[in-house]
Amino acid sequence: NAGVTQTPKFQVLKTGQSMTLQCAQDMNHNSMYWYRQDPGMGLRLIYYSASEGTTDKGEVPNGYNVSRLNKREFSLRLESAAPSQTSVYFCASSTGKSYEQYFGPGTRLTVT
Amino acid sequence: AQRVTQPEKLLSVFKGAPVELKCNYSYSGSPELFWYVQYSRQRLQLLLRHISRESIKGFTADLNKGETSFHLKKPFAQEEDSAMYYCAHLSGNTGKLIFGQGTTLQVKP
Repeated sequence: NAGVTQTPKFQVLKTGQSMTLQCAQDMNHNSMYWYRQDPGMGLRLIYYSASEGTTDKGEVPNGYNVSRLNKREFSLRLESAAPSQTSVYFCASSTGKSYEQYFGPGTRLTVT
Repeated sequence: AQRVTQPEKLLSVFKGAPVELKCNYSYSGSPELFWYVQYSRQRLQLLLRHISRESIKGFTADLNKGETSFHLKKPFAQEEDSAMYYCAHLSGNTGKLIFGQGTTLQVKP
């Protein structure tokens, strides 16, 4: 099993450009999450999906949108990238009940 | 609002020395707390959770409700313990986690 996979691994965008970060899991988990990791700030939840067909805002949702395409896939979209969105983005999944979250390898995004 | 605080950005110790990574939380009910670890070039992964009361890789963490703390301890640090450690608190019933700011543990030879 690949676990949680994320694409791309690295991305450089110019201010105003858009892009979608892809995440997929093969563990049949119900819940999926998107976090951003910034120095001194820890991991902050952007959006999450408790189950297929539902999405909810986390701590820092502004500037992002998400789509729970099916049970496996949960994408994060930046419609108009800003330098403040330069970060490392992590996707995670869990059964929702066990509460252990399994993380992807991360996407390092730079917005210039 | 629920909050998790890790007051130290960096903790540097020598091999064989005791380690304590501090974590404090703000929550009025019965908390569900975890420690996650991220080794260099590896994914973030669960280290331990307070409800299991287990020791993983020599680390233990005890919930102290009076002090609202969940400090991570190890009696003798090893170089391979060098990593970023995050304390996290479960929020609600959808599996959401609230993470602290993280502490980098550096174990020197």
